[in-house]
Amino acid sequence: EAGVAQSPRYKIIEKRQSVAFWCNPISGHATLYWYQQILGQGPKLLIQFQNNGVVDDSQLPKDRFSAERLKGVDSTLKIQPAKLEDSAVYLCASSLDLVRNYEQYFGPGTRLTVT
Amino acid sequence: GQQVMQIPQYQHVQEGEDFTTYCNSSTTLSNIQWYKQRPGGHPVFLIQLVKSGEVKKQKRLTFQFGEAKKNSSLHITATQTTDVGTYFCAGEVAGANSKLTFGKGITLSVRP
Repeated sequence: EAGVAQSPRYKIIEKRQSVAFWCNPISGHATLYWYQQILGQGPKLLIQFQNNGVVDDSQLPKDRFSAERLKGVDSTLKIQPAKLEDSAVYLCASSLDLVRNYEQYFGPGTRLTVT
Repeated sequence: GQQVMQIPQYQHVQEGEDFTTYCNSSTTLSNIQWYKQRPGGHPVFLIQLVKSGEVKKQKRLTFQFGEAKKNSSLHITATQTTDVGTYFCAGEVAGANSKLTFGKGITLSVRP
């Protein structure tokens, strides 16, 4: 079974630039999550999708971050404009469904450095 | 908001020693999950606990959910160098649509 795919794996940008991350979840997984993991901390949920609908985006800085999952499969997360404090690993995860709390499968992450 | 606490953040043990770490939630949880993240890797699911007082074992790892469903523990018997990594607990509050709140994790290093 293929795992969660993410690209790019690394990205370096200057502050005020924009950046986009892509995620392809495990086939058949209805729930998709984007997390931000700052060095030395646990993953922090940014947004959660069930199919193509948003379930929770309470911790997403909506003035600069946006995410979509238009066809209920792939997802993109965008930051515009980036700030220095956005430097982190952005993890995508998927799970079967949210009706039951199934385990989450994480992708390898995108390491973002903002200079 | 809900908080999940793991203290300390780092622990060093000699290979062969036992290791125990704890996770505490500010609110009652419907379930708790544990993940392991190897250096440079991504979190990998280890276990889920749902029932009050539940105990589950995976080889040398023993996981327990507290009676009040506000804390959990992970015990590793006779640590090995392969146990190196950061262990996160993540809790879900009832009705939270499978939204997990992760602790900061504990990074375990093992001296051979």
